[in-house]
Amino acid sequence: ELKVEQNPLFLSMQEGKNYTIYCNYSTTSDRLYWYRQDPGKSLESLFVLLSNGAVKQEGRLMASLDTKARLSTLHITAAVHDLSATYFCAVATAGGTSYGKLTFGQGTILTVHP
Amino acid sequence: KAGVTQTPRYLIKTRGQQVTLSCSPISGHRSVSWYQQTPGQGLQFLFEYFSETQRNKGNFPGRFSGRQFSNSRSEMNVSTLELGDSALYLCASSLRWDRVDTQYFGPGTRLTVL
Repeated sequence: ELKVEQNPLFLSMQEGKNYTIYCNYSTTSDRLYWYRQDPGKSLESLFVLLSNGAVKQEGRLMASLDTKARLSTLHITAAVHDLSATYFCAVATAGGTSYGKLTFGQGTILTVHP
Repeated sequence: KAGVTQTPRYLIKTRGQQVTLSCSPISGHRSVSWYQQTPGQGLQFLFEYFSETQRNKGNFPGRFSGRQFSNSRSEMNVSTLELGDSALYLCASSLRWDRVDTQYFGPGTRLTVL
């Protein structure tokens, strides 16, 4: 059974600092997603990483994927308060006749304070 | 383009009742997946539909069922509700089921079972 583990689960950051969220998964997959969830809201897609070595950047967030290490990272640069949210990584696996099953990590609750 | 819509947004039921939740995917999207989100178990995959066929199913009891209509709209049904079924139920749509594709999530239906 696929397991997806994120760390840290709680992250309190000061504005302007850098930090990294790690996402480890237990079986082979080359499809990994990052989502953001604000309190009481749904999931917003941030990145889709489709191959080993993939790197994507959007604003202060950069995600990468190492399929050999079964590891993805979400790097936050110069954090600002607006980045406060819960971040999930999710790994896609084939099952049945679809590729649509996502297995999610526990989520990392990020709080950015002055 | 309108996003994924879910109705109702909030629902309160009592134990033993049944409930039907509805999801309308993004126009043109033909794959619909359902997830349950709870504080204890996190985000868990329920099932996925494409072309009115269930393509994949998660590890939930048979009380949880779903279907998809010819216009790609989907419904999920939970019978004989239990307290533990209280959760946020999220629907996600994507263009394809047979290849990697971003899943776009709706706002969710918050179900409370008393």
